[in-house]
Amino acid sequence: AQSVTQPDIHITVSEGASLELRCNYSYGATPYLFWYVQSPGQGLQLLLKYFSGDTLVQGIKGFEAEFKRSQSSFNLRKPSVHWSDAAEYFCAVGAGGYQKVTFGTGTKLQVIP
Amino acid sequence: DTGVSQDPRHKITKRGQNVTFRCDPISEHNRLYWYRQTLGQGPEFLTYFQNEAQLEKSRLLSDRFSAERPKGSFSTLEIQRTEQGDSAMYLCASSLARDRGNEQFFGPGTRLTVL
Repeated sequence: AQSVTQPDIHITVSEGASLELRCNYSYGATPYLFWYVQSPGQGLQLLLKYFSGDTLVQGIKGFEAEFKRSQSSFNLRKPSVHWSDAAEYFCAVGAGGYQKVTFGTGTKLQVIP
Repeated sequence: DTGVSQDPRHKITKRGQNVTFRCDPISEHNRLYWYRQTLGQGPEFLTYFQNEAQLEKSRLLSDRFSAERPKGSFSTLEIQRTEQGDSAMYLCASSLARDRGNEQFFGPGTRLTVL
């Protein structure tokens, strides 16, 4: 069965600083990988996804993620964080014929002025 | 709004009561998923429908839980004899089977509080 680990529960960054959120997955085959963002009172919004091809994936809102098979990682990055990026971020892995998705426990991002 | 909708957004009930939630997926999506999210956790898979067929149920889905998707459109999730441990956010998502990346679009969720 697949699993996802997000080792950082909370991260605080200054506005304008760079950001990297860590994600490690466990799955026997090539996974489908996702990053979602959840703001208070909002549903989950997909930031980006990887399932094949270029291992550096560009997403919405200036986010990108890099798939590293050797490290079983799919870290999310943003070069300059905005106050509106404060939210909870979930890494997820999809597998199986209908892509059952398993989520990590999330990383809560706080942005300070 | 053409996204996934869920109703109600909030539900407060007393222990032992039955509750039912509704999910309306994006109209052309044939896959529908239910997840449960508790505080400090990521969403956990509960069940999956392709059209009207329920193809997988998680072990989290005890016999007090039942989900339906008549006619392959909207879905309902019923919890019978609610317990305080059922308090959570219930999320619905939908996707298109022919979408190779299977992007799941999530609704805003129904927050259940069992007193």
